[in-house]
Amino acid sequence: KAGVTQTPRYLIKTRGQQVTLSCSPISGHRSVSWYQQTPGQGLQFLFEYFSETQRNKGNFPGRFSGRQFSNSRSEMNVSTLELGDSALYLCASSLGLATSPGHNEQFFGPGTRLTVL
Amino acid sequence: EDQVTQSPEALRLQEGESSSLNCSYTVSGLRGLFWYRQDPGKGPEFLFTLYSAGEEKEKERLKATLTKKESFLHITAPKPEDSATYLCAVQVKTSYDKVIFGPGTSLSVIP
Repeated sequence: KAGVTQTPRYLIKTRGQQVTLSCSPISGHRSVSWYQQTPGQGLQFLFEYFSETQRNKGNFPGRFSGRQFSNSRSEMNVSTLELGDSALYLCASSLGLATSPGHNEQFFGPGTRLTVL
Repeated sequence: EDQVTQSPEALRLQEGESSSLNCSYTVSGLRGLFWYRQDPGKGPEFLFTLYSAGEEKEKERLKATLTKKESFLHITAPKPEDSATYLCAVQVKTSYDKVIFGPGTSLSVIP
């Protein structure tokens, strides 16, 4: 069974630009969550999508947005990039809502390393 | 405020030297606690889920336990390939359901 895939693996952008990251979950998984990982802040929850709807969100500004398609694939968009947005962006998939009780363990992709210059 | 802390920040062990990693949490509405292992440049790899105090899970040299305020990841006779960052995360029921990760413990096992 193929794991979670993320594209691209590496991105370099300049301040003010926007970027779109893509995540394909494990086949059969309906939930996709996005996280930002930095050395100083660790792993921080951005949002979770299930059945094409955003179900939960973390404390990030509106510049961070996402969507999920009918095949459960998800994209995350960051507009008006800032230097502080440089991070490893991870997506994770789970059978059900990762935030719901039950065996909804999250399986992570390799991440997209975003560098903002 | 919901918070997850992990200690120690870094741990260096000799091969075969058993030890424990700690994950402490102050959250309301805990639903579950997860342990992950993360190797450099990779995404976290799921290890265990614990749901209630007193629960224990084992996998090879790793054993995870849960109390009402903390979880321990015991590593018995570690090998160099166990070197990684170990992350714990809690599943929380609040105004917005969320998963909160701790900062991690970086484990190095020296041959």
